[in-house]
Amino acid sequence: QSALTQPPSASGSPGQSVTISCTGTSSDVGGYNYVSWYQQHPGKAPKLMIYEVSKRPSGVPDRFSGSKSGNTASLTVSGLQAEDEADYYCSSYAGSNNFVFGTGTKVTVL
Amino acid sequence: QVQLQESGPGLVKPSQTLSLTCTVSGGSISSGSYYWSWIRQPAGKGLEWIGRIYTSGSTNYNPSLKSRVTISVDTSKNQFSLKLSSVTAADTAVYYCVTGPRWLLNYWGQGTLVTVSS
Repeated sequence: QSALTQPPSASGSPGQSVTISCTGTSSDVGGYNYVSWYQQHPGKAPKLMIYEVSKRPSGVPDRFSGSKSGNTASLTVSGLQAEDEADYYCSSYAGSNNFVFGTGTKVTVL
Repeated sequence: QVQLQESGPGLVKPSQTLSLTCTVSGGSISSGSYYWSWIRQPAGKGLEWIGRIYTSGSTNYNPSLKSRVTISVDTSKNQFSLKLSSVTAADTAVYYCVTGPRWLLNYWGQGTLVTVSS
């Protein structure tokens, strides 16, 4: 299986929005609604931010939203804050009890 | 709230078997509908799913690692374990134990660094 494709970096000023894409195939992202997004600060374990494409776990700010169109999922962070600066990874169920992560995107708050 | 803690050797010699254990607290490993997974991350690189086990003992593995991986569960100790055989330097990474329902990874351990070196 191949990793899902994410842009290496994205950036925005405080208060702005940034959108990260996660491109897969019809065998993973496009085929199932099991896309999740994780936030990882340096030296820390990842944290679940979005699951099943667009659902937010309890405690995650509503500034974080997810969507999917075809084989590409997206994470949007609105009203960027300094603490949003982190690495973000998408993931997807890939069929046949298999699972795949994205390549990761470093978000910088300018 | 479920908490996870990885433990095991931080240094493994090439060609040997990497063995890690994850101790679960704040809940029973045999209750509910959670899957118990292992994820790894080489320094400066992305996340890689290794595999998972259900409390029934049913396992799913990453096809690229399947021939070398065994994940098991010990409900009496509220632990699950990872064994990765024939390791090379490419297996050097931070290893996380993780849990959640279906394909969600809600709860993560803090991670443990395993270095493969002679």
